[in-house]
Amino acid sequence: DAKTTQPTSMDCAEGRAANLPCNHSTISGNEYVYWYRQIHSQGPQYIIHGLKNNETNEMASLIITEDRKSSTLILPHATLRDTAVYYCIVRPSYQGAQKLVFGQGTRLTINP
Amino acid sequence: KAGVTQTPRYLIKTRGQQVTLSCSPISGHRSVSWYQQTPGQGLQFLFEYFSETQRNKGNFPGRFSGRQFSNSRSEMNVSTLELGDSALYLCASSLESGNTEAFFGQGTRLTVV
Repeated sequence: DAKTTQPTSMDCAEGRAANLPCNHSTISGNEYVYWYRQIHSQGPQYIIHGLKNNETNEMASLIITEDRKSSTLILPHATLRDTAVYYCIVRPSYQGAQKLVFGQGTRLTINP
Repeated sequence: KAGVTQTPRYLIKTRGQQVTLSCSPISGHRSVSWYQQTPGQGLQFLFEYFSETQRNKGNFPGRFSGRQFSNSRSEMNVSTLELGDSALYLCASSLESGNTEAFFGQGTRLTVV
């Protein structure tokens, strides 16, 4: 059911940028790319979302390719607290589309 | 602003019993969704309520049901519990618009013995 593909796991050194890729080759024109993360035993946390332009907030940056078939979430200066499972989700933008389809996500480990 | 509150945090039930879980959304949020998370199946959508009406439903048996009250608080009920219903049940609230982020609660950990 999930329409995204992510690497199962990734490692990153503390203080470095963590770049998490996501493929969504069947994305439709009205679908946004959302990123959430889940730290062990907690509820998922919203990170960022975008349609076709690159987006940045206090947590991360989202880079979406021009053809919108893939995207990269960038955590600019990873800390140990960024260790979590990161989910890339595509979701329609119309009202009423609150269903989130989670894949297996990427388990990101930040190493000291 | 208070976040999404789920009660109880932990619950142990016996097979065949029923259980009711509660979710209080962020103030002003009218959409409440429920998810089940298990090690084998991951995070799966159960249903969504908006203005006391079920707006969307996942692929779960009829033993799983929910409702939403006029103050947007929501409850989900699981009847005739099975061992496989042991999971983390998560609630998420959103504003009315479709293009908004969902905010999740800490979840209720249900163990069926």
